[in-house]
Amino acid sequence: AQKITQTQPGMFVQEKEAVTLDCTYDTSDPSYGLFWYKQPSSGEMIFLIYQGSYDQQNATEGRYSLNFQKARKSANLVISASQLGDSAMYFCAMRGPSGYSTLTFGKGTMLLVSP
Amino acid sequence: DAGVTQSPTHLIKTRGQQVTLRCSPISGHKSVSWYQQVLGQGPQFIFQYYEKEERGRGNFPDRFSARQFPNYSSELNVNALLLGDSALYLCASSLGTGVSYEQYFGPGTRLTVT
Repeated sequence: AQKITQTQPGMFVQEKEAVTLDCTYDTSDPSYGLFWYKQPSSGEMIFLIYQGSYDQQNATEGRYSLNFQKARKSANLVISASQLGDSAMYFCAMRGPSGYSTLTFGKGTMLLVSP
Repeated sequence: DAGVTQSPTHLIKTRGQQVTLRCSPISGHKSVSWYQQVLGQGPQFIFQYYEKEERGRGNFPDRFSARQFPNYSSELNVNALLLGDSALYLCASSLGTGVSYEQYFGPGTRLTVT
């Protein structure tokens, strides 16, 4: 079975600073994908970044980067130069070949960016 | 291009009633998945359909059912509603079912059961 753990219920950061949101995962599948989604108060899940289990380099998408440490089974999201609009819930999720190839989500981290 | 659309946006039902939620995937996407998100939790997988066939089902009772139509749109039905079914129901579409396929989510349907 796949499992995602996000241990930070909430994080606070000042505008323009960098922040790291933690995510650890557990799976027995050798092939899997790791995703980060942002969920504003409106409810829609917005895709941020993807990392494949066989990718040699850490994924980056603009201000978002994924610190992938396979041996430690961690996939932390790093947001550089935080903006007020980054305030939202952030979910780490995993997708594997076993089961139904659907997403298994963590409980999320609420990020609040202050001026 | 239009994203994933869901209807209705909000819904209020009474215990014991039945509800149907609808989802239209992004054009060209053949896979639709349904998730339930209870307040304060991450989304939980309910169903996945691909090419009109059920590919997977999460740990939900038989009161939950779904189907996918020839145009790849999908419906989620919930019978005999319970208070605990109150949640945000999210639909996601993707091109395929492989590991790397990104799932695009709709805005969700917020169901309240009283």
